[in-house]
Amino acid sequence: AQSVTQLGSHVSVSEGALVLLRCNYSSSVPPYLFWYVQYPNQGLQLLLKYTSAATLVKGINGFEAEFKKSETSFHLTKPSAHMSDAAEYFCAVGYSSASKIIFGSGTRLSIRP
Amino acid sequence: EAQVTQNPRYLITVTGKKLTVTCSQNMNHEYMSWYRQDPGLGLRQIYYSMNVEVTDKGDVPEGYKVSRKEKRNFPLILESPSPNQTSLYFCASSPGQANFGDQPQHFGDGTRLSIL
Repeated sequence: AQSVTQLGSHVSVSEGALVLLRCNYSSSVPPYLFWYVQYPNQGLQLLLKYTSAATLVKGINGFEAEFKKSETSFHLTKPSAHMSDAAEYFCAVGYSSASKIIFGSGTRLSIRP
Repeated sequence: EAQVTQNPRYLITVTGKKLTVTCSQNMNHEYMSWYRQDPGLGLRQIYYSMNVEVTDKGDVPEGYKVSRKEKRNFPLILESPSPNQTSLYFCASSPGQANFGDQPQHFGDGTRLSIL
């Protein structure tokens, strides 16, 4: 069965430091991949999505993610963290033959002043 | 403004008292879905609907019902709520069936249910 694994339920970085949130998927067919962000008391918002056009995907708020087929990974990065980036981040995978999107368990990002 | 609207945002109720959480979208989307979010478990799909009068079970459908009589509305019904249904619930929608897998979903702001 397809699944999504996010390594680290909580990541803490200093303001200005690199943000790296990890996501691995299990799949025998090419997936569509998404990163969503959830701010407190809000629903999920799309950060970026991968649909095979390019392996490096740029999203909103300075985030980007790179699809690596050989590693079945889709890690999210941002060069310099801001306090406003503190939120929960979800990786998700979809398939054209399926009727749902599978979400990872989420990673809470904290930013230290 | 394109949006998915859920009501209520917060509800505290007691075991066995039927409740309905409404969901409405104004984007003419065909696909709608309900999720529950629990700590450490991410989002788990409860039910989804591909179009009017077409609904199907997700991963955790027990104890829930849905209906899709109109394209814009997709209410979630708990006929006899129990404490293990205490959770944060999200409704989401996306454009349609074709190439569903590459369509991002639009989420409501969530409904926090507490069943005592």
